[in-house]
Amino acid sequence: GQQLNQSPQSMFIQEGEDVSMNCTSSSIFNTWLWYKQEPGEGPVLLIALYKAGELTSNGRLTAQFGITRKDSFLNISASIPSDVGIYFCAGSILTGNQFYFGTGTSLTVIP
Amino acid sequence: NAGVTQTPKFRVLKTGQSMTLLCAQDMNHEYMYWYRQDPGMGLRLIHYSVGEGTTAKGEVPDGYNVSRLKKQNFLLGLESAAPSQTSVYFCASSYRVGHPQSTDTQYFGPGTRLTVL
Repeated sequence: GQQLNQSPQSMFIQEGEDVSMNCTSSSIFNTWLWYKQEPGEGPVLLIALYKAGELTSNGRLTAQFGITRKDSFLNISASIPSDVGIYFCAGSILTGNQFYFGTGTSLTVIP
Repeated sequence: NAGVTQTPKFRVLKTGQSMTLLCAQDMNHEYMYWYRQDPGMGLRLIHYSVGEGTTAKGEVPDGYNVSRLKKQNFLLGLESAAPSQTSVYFCASSYRVGHPQSTDTQYFGPGTRLTVL
């Protein structure tokens, strides 16, 4: 299967700090998605990206579809305790086809 | 709208036992998926379906079978459970390509935690 490398693996930050994480693939993707998963729950979609260079925001979250189409980035500004969770990137090569998931970034926010 | 629901939430099996996990969605989605999530591995696709009566293999299909007899339901079966199948299983669904509301996004259920002893 496709390899999606997500980094960092985990982050411990102070409340109010900004967060950056990224995802890289060995293949060109047509769609990038970012999910957040809280303990005992399924992943919840945060942002979807469909075009190279696209920059999309959802509140304090901003994600970008890399120009090379092999990477994507997620930023969280002014983190708050409820941002705690595991963030996953996912990409697909063909529209509507299989999605491949990164291994996740575990975020801990210290009040 | 319940979204995507999964039953059961938890299950413990002995090696060699069989079981079926049920996924149901009420969003009239054409596509449905089964994933497994293991520590440090992210989510891996087991099988998926692009419509009623059709199924296809994903990344890790061995040891699993699926059926999509009704559009709203997608069943995942383990015929002879093995300890390597201890995992959290997630179902997801999405609209088909070209649907007016299609956004290529997948909606996930809450998961089933399976332990095989």
